[in-house]
Amino acid sequence: EDQVTQSPEALRLQEGESSSLNCSYTVSGLRGLFWYRQDPGKGPEFLFTLYSAGEEKEKERLKATLTKKESFLHITAPKPEDSATYLCAVQGRGSTLGRLYFGRGTQLTVWP
Amino acid sequence: GAVVSQHPSWVICKSGTSVKIECRSLDFQATTMFWYRQFPKQSLMLMATSNEGSKATYEQGVEKDKFLINHASLTLSTLTVTSAHPEDSSFYICSARELGGAYTEAFFGQGTRLTVV
Repeated sequence: EDQVTQSPEALRLQEGESSSLNCSYTVSGLRGLFWYRQDPGKGPEFLFTLYSAGEEKEKERLKATLTKKESFLHITAPKPEDSATYLCAVQGRGSTLGRLYFGRGTQLTVWP
Repeated sequence: GAVVSQHPSWVICKSGTSVKIECRSLDFQATTMFWYRQFPKQSLMLMATSNEGSKATYEQGVEKDKFLINHASLTLSTLTVTSAHPEDSSFYICSARELGGAYTEAFFGQGTRLTVV
């Protein structure tokens, strides 16, 4: 079964302090790795899709990278509004009807 | 990105009654819809997967007679919690994908906070 492990579980950063979140995965034939952001009491918001090792995508202060075993979400000079839970998910070749397997998430807190 | 609308955002119901939650894809055809349950400070727990016009596939441990899922069209899926009890209180979230379409990712609704009293 496809598996996703995210670390750390929680991360506290001071505003402007760059860092990275990790997503390690085990999947049979990666069809896609997805990053989402979830605010408290809301549904997850789509951020990025990565398909193959070496691929990178950027959006404002966020940059997602992918290797054959893990993905990183780099946050550059974060602001308090970047505080949220970041979820990683994968879809494998054998995924039924496009099901995604989610990690438990990293809860990011950015303080002023 | 595409928009998925989930309604209601929150609902309070009495124990023993049923509650229906709607999930609509507004600008794409949702060939597959997923229903999740989320407990505080925990990740998403998949309850069931549904294809338009087909019966839903439930995850192990999820009671299909209690959580009725209907995916009658390419833009609408509903989750009905039947004979709700306090232990069914939770945050329910739907997700939709258009397999083979313009969007490869899954989009989520805003979630529904269900409280059973």
